[in-house]
Amino acid sequence: SQQGEEDPQALSIQEGENATMNCSYKTSINNLQWYRQNSGRGLVHLILIRSNEREKHSGRLRVTLDTSKKSSSLLITASRAADTASYFCATVRNAGNMLTFGGGTRLMVKP
Amino acid sequence: DAGVIQSPRHEVTEMGQEVTLRCKPISGHDYLFWYRQTMMRGLELLIYFNNNVPIDDSGMPEDRFSAKMPNASFSTLKIQPSEPRDSAVYFCASSPGHRNTEAFFGQGTRLTVV
Repeated sequence: SQQGEEDPQALSIQEGENATMNCSYKTSINNLQWYRQNSGRGLVHLILIRSNEREKHSGRLRVTLDTSKKSSSLLITASRAADTASYFCATVRNAGNMLTFGGGTRLMVKP
Repeated sequence: DAGVIQSPRHEVTEMGQEVTLRCKPISGHDYLFWYRQTMMRGLELLIYFNNNVPIDDSGMPEDRFSAKMPNASFSTLKIQPSEPRDSAVYFCASSPGHRNTEAFFGQGTRLTVV
């Protein structure tokens, strides 16, 4: 079963614009992670935010976490055509090391 | 390290045949995960191992699916007999031994059962 749900399911923007994707989850977590998947490829880890953190940055990526609302957002600033991919959030609960994925957001960045 | 290695990359088989998917995790990683990805159901965790021991197999769809990890460098996912609804991309991933770390994914095996 999926722990997280991404919103929107699909997003189309112009190069240079910012892209924001949201993720909601159901149970308490130890950390939340974002992954990227190019078509036909495996998933690649982007960023991890722990349950006691509220915001994290990595290059053009900014992730926020609101544990009271059980939600997270991924912001990609100054998007590029190469950012076109599917983006997934995944949660790790406090018990075990199981990584549970949401349904993903398909991002298309038009040049 | 070459990363997580899965084989084969593509598999086409007839309904009723046995299918075996293989995975070599990153050396030193204590956790190994098998996922299945379809358009309808997204990414589903099938089973995961810690130090070669299966920890949670609640995601395995039915008895036709089985997974083993005979040693720290090799795991298999077997489907017997295969059915058309098993068609999907199967991913193997591994991660180090503590919770606040990322998982590293293989390139996946695209299985088509006709």
